[in-house]
Amino acid sequence: AQKVTQAQTEISVVEKEDVTLDCVYETRDTTYYLFWYKQPPSGELVFLIRRNSFDEQNEISGRYSWNFQKSTSSFNFTITASQVVDSAVYFCALSGRNYGQNFVFGPGTRLSVLP
Amino acid sequence: DTGVSQDPRHKITKRGQNVTFRCDPISEHNRLYWYRQTLGQGPEFLTYFQNEAQLEKSRLLSDRFSAERPKGSFSTLEIQRTEQGDSAMYLCASSLTRGTVIYGYTFGSGTRLTVV
Repeated sequence: AQKVTQAQTEISVVEKEDVTLDCVYETRDTTYYLFWYKQPPSGELVFLIRRNSFDEQNEISGRYSWNFQKSTSSFNFTITASQVVDSAVYFCALSGRNYGQNFVFGPGTRLSVLP
Repeated sequence: DTGVSQDPRHKITKRGQNVTFRCDPISEHNRLYWYRQTLGQGPEFLTYFQNEAQLEKSRLLSDRFSAERPKGSFSTLEIQRTEQGDSAMYLCASSLTRGTVIYGYTFGSGTRLTVV
């Protein structure tokens, strides 16, 4: 069975602080894909990043960075110098070897960035 | 804008009524997916289509739920005899799949259903 855990239900930070959102996953597939999505109050899911299980290279994109560690089954997401517009619910998701047939989402972490 | 469109955005219905939601995918996308998202949870996969073929429907929540994609373009999700527990956001997504490569997995803004 596949499972995604996001232990942090809600996080509040003050603008310009760095914040890390945790994600731990479980899967028996040897090939799998991990994702982060952002869901602002408007409701749509906005794609942020996809990583393949065979590529553990960490990535930085602007203020966003991701730390993928297969040894601990974690795929953490960091926002540097947070901004009020970053306030949203963030979901970590997992897709197995049959990529795209279905995603398993975590319960989400609600991030509030205060001015 | 050529994103995934869902209609209506909001639906309030009385318990026991039938409801139908529509999803228009990105035009060149051949796969279409339905998810349900309850309050405070992540989306939960329900079913998906490749063109007009429904390739996975075992995750549909009960036999009151059904989905169609008759011409391989738009899709409808129907819930019969609605119950209060059906209140949720219903999300549609689409993607272009060629072999094992998937491009542009895109979600719509969802239909929020409230059963009173």
